[in-house]
Amino acid sequence: DAMVIQNPRYQVTQFGKPVTLSCSQTLNHNVMYWYQQKSSQAPKLLFHYYDKDFNNEADTPDNFQSRRPNTSFCFLDIRSPGLGDAAMYLCATSPTSYNEQFFGPGTRLTVL
Amino acid sequence: GNSVTQMEGPVTLSEEAFLTINCTYTATGYPSLFWYVQYPGEGLQLLLKATKADDKGSNKGFEATYRKETTSFHLEKGSVQVSDSAVYFCADTLNAGGTSYGKLTFGQGTILTVHP
Repeated sequence: DAMVIQNPRYQVTQFGKPVTLSCSQTLNHNVMYWYQQKSSQAPKLLFHYYDKDFNNEADTPDNFQSRRPNTSFCFLDIRSPGLGDAAMYLCATSPTSYNEQFFGPGTRLTVL
Repeated sequence: GNSVTQMEGPVTLSEEAFLTINCTYTATGYPSLFWYVQYPGEGLQLLLKATKADDKGSNKGFEATYRKETTSFHLEKGSVQVSDSAVYFCADTLNAGGTSYGKLTFGQGTILTVHP
């Protein structure tokens, strides 16, 4: 089945230790998104790619970076995680603008 | 800017009760409207959608009708089950052109708990 896959499902890191979360998709969608979600709040968009075109949200901290080496994969890098970065990180894809987004299962990040 | 407002939760119901979760939006024009559901510890799943006025989205017994005149997209289900316990998010998206590639605007989410 075509889908959005996130690895790992659970990630534990130490304060200040860089961490990378990964997302892959078999849907061949042009657009990929990264969201941060805290305790049943609405997901907060961090950034998105339209093909290789990167779009950062104005309030996304510099601590968060992203890479999209090809259509299928997208990575979220947190350079120096703080305690406030503990959250669920959701990846989503969309075929193009104006369509629904398809979400992965998320990665739960714990910062010790 | 665009905003989506959902009725405040949490909502607690008994099994087989009728469910309504209100949702209104402020976007002008003709946004697409969505309901997403999130079960504990999981990502969001699209529950239903509507892309033009008077469209009715439906799935798994849930329904919502795109009401342009009241800028609303209320979620309803006639008889809820324990397995419907989850967080429900209303959302819209506009084709604003430029780099606004279908960015979703979410409501704040409504926690639904259904008791046997």
